[in-house]
Amino acid sequence: AQRVTQPEKLLSVFKGAPVELKCNYSYSGSPELFWYVQYSRQRLQLLLRHISRESIKGFTADLNKGETSFHLKKPFAQEEDSAMYYCALSAGGTSYGKLTFGQGTILTVHP
Amino acid sequence: SAVISQKPSRDICQRGTSLTIQCQVDSQVTMMFWYRQQPGQSLTLIATANQGSEATYESGFVIDKFPISRPNLTFSTLTVSNMSPEDSSIYLCSVYSGQGYYEQYFGPGTRLTVT
Repeated sequence: AQRVTQPEKLLSVFKGAPVELKCNYSYSGSPELFWYVQYSRQRLQLLLRHISRESIKGFTADLNKGETSFHLKKPFAQEEDSAMYYCALSAGGTSYGKLTFGQGTILTVHP
Repeated sequence: SAVISQKPSRDICQRGTSLTIQCQVDSQVTMMFWYRQQPGQSLTLIATANQGSEATYESGFVIDKFPISRPNLTFSTLTVSNMSPEDSSIYLCSVYSGQGYYEQYFGPGTRLTVT
C-alpha cells in the first residue's frame, strides 16, 4: 500500500523568508510525486510534478528516493503563497489519476 | 485543460436519504474519478468512473453505497445512498487528460452535510 505523510499541518513564515513543506512517501515501486495547491475559495490545482523538474511560482521540489521524500521549497515566500498544499503520489502507468494524498499543510505567509 | 463543474455545490440532507452529485466536463476525457474529503481529513479516492462499464471502487467503498454512472465521455454522477452523518464530506470529481503531458483537474467540490 502507498502512503504519503506531511508532518506539518500548519506552517507560518514571514514574507521573504525561505519555506520548506515536507513530504515523505511509502511505496514499493517507482512512484510519481506531485504537489497540489488550493488557494482560498479556489479549486485544487496542480503545482508541480516531479518528472517535469520545473520551477513553478518559484517553488521547486526534488524527489529523493533514498530518503523517500519530495519536499517543496521556495527561497523567498510571498504573501500570495498562503494556501493549503497537498503532496500526492501516483503509482503511474494504468494508475494515472489515482492519487494518494497527504494530510495537507496550511502555509501562512505573514507580511 | 479541462473545466469541471459540479452540481450541487452544497446540500444539507437528512439521514437515510440519497443524494446524486453531477460532474460535467467541457471536453471528452478518458478517465474520471471521484474523491472524498472528510472534515479535517485528506482526499481519498472513492472510485474510477469508466465509460461503458461499471465503476472500479477502491478498498472500503462499495457500489451499493456509492453507485456511479458514466453515460458518456463528459459526464458522470455519484450517488451517496442511505446517508448517515459520517458521509458529511466534500465530494470532488477529477479528470485525467491523458494528453501527453500529465494534467489532472479537479472540480470545485460538493459540500454535503448529513443531519
